[in-house]
Amino acid sequence: DAKTTQPPSMDCAEGRAANLPCNHSTISGNEYVYWYRQIHSQGPQYIIHGLKNNETNEMASLIITEDRKSSTLILPHATLRDTAVYYCIVRVARTSGSRLTFGEGTQLTVNP
Amino acid sequence: DSGVTQTPKHLITATGQRVTLRCSPRSGDLSVYWYQQSLDQGLQFLIQYYNGEERAKGNILERFSAQQFPDLHSELNLSSLELGDSALYFCASSVASTMWGGATDTQYFGPGTRLTVL
Repeated sequence: DAKTTQPPSMDCAEGRAANLPCNHSTISGNEYVYWYRQIHSQGPQYIIHGLKNNETNEMASLIITEDRKSSTLILPHATLRDTAVYYCIVRVARTSGSRLTFGEGTQLTVNP
Repeated sequence: DSGVTQTPKHLITATGQRVTLRCSPRSGDLSVYWYQQSLDQGLQFLIQYYNGEERAKGNILERFSAQQFPDLHSELNLSSLELGDSALYFCASSVASTMWGGATDTQYFGPGTRLTVL
């Protein structure tokens, strides 16, 4: 699976959009970009994933650049409960499943 | 609530002992994964089972073993415990779709078991 690079920490004001970047310059054509977050020792929570098109769900939006070498997770209106470590993971989605390889992630702190 | 359940939530034991952690996957999910999260190692993949069979192994110690039962629940057995085995242990499950690209192979995590070895 391709390696990802994320900033170690970011701050965001409550109510503002949080934009979390991720670089994955060695991504292959059949690799998806997944985002998870972990709120203080809870189980990682799935947020969103995509292959090459931008994706949006009730939690967030995922913007993938045309060359697929980077992506941005957008939380449109961050709240204090969004304070967490956010992980960007690139992986091939195989039949019968495949592991997730977690990096260090980005510690997002939402401030009041 | 992800639909994945893990028991117990907390476990305190002594060095040299053996413990069993249990995981019930989401209804319909065939794959179960185990991950370990310690302070100095981050989240590490241990092992995966798919429909009762071992599918992939990560950095799992020989003292650790797992199995997936016919009802698809899984157990992680940790033996000859050492202080360094103290960690959070997470189970995740996925449906592991057979669709091309497996785009629905999203893993959902349980709340974890916190193991403390004294």
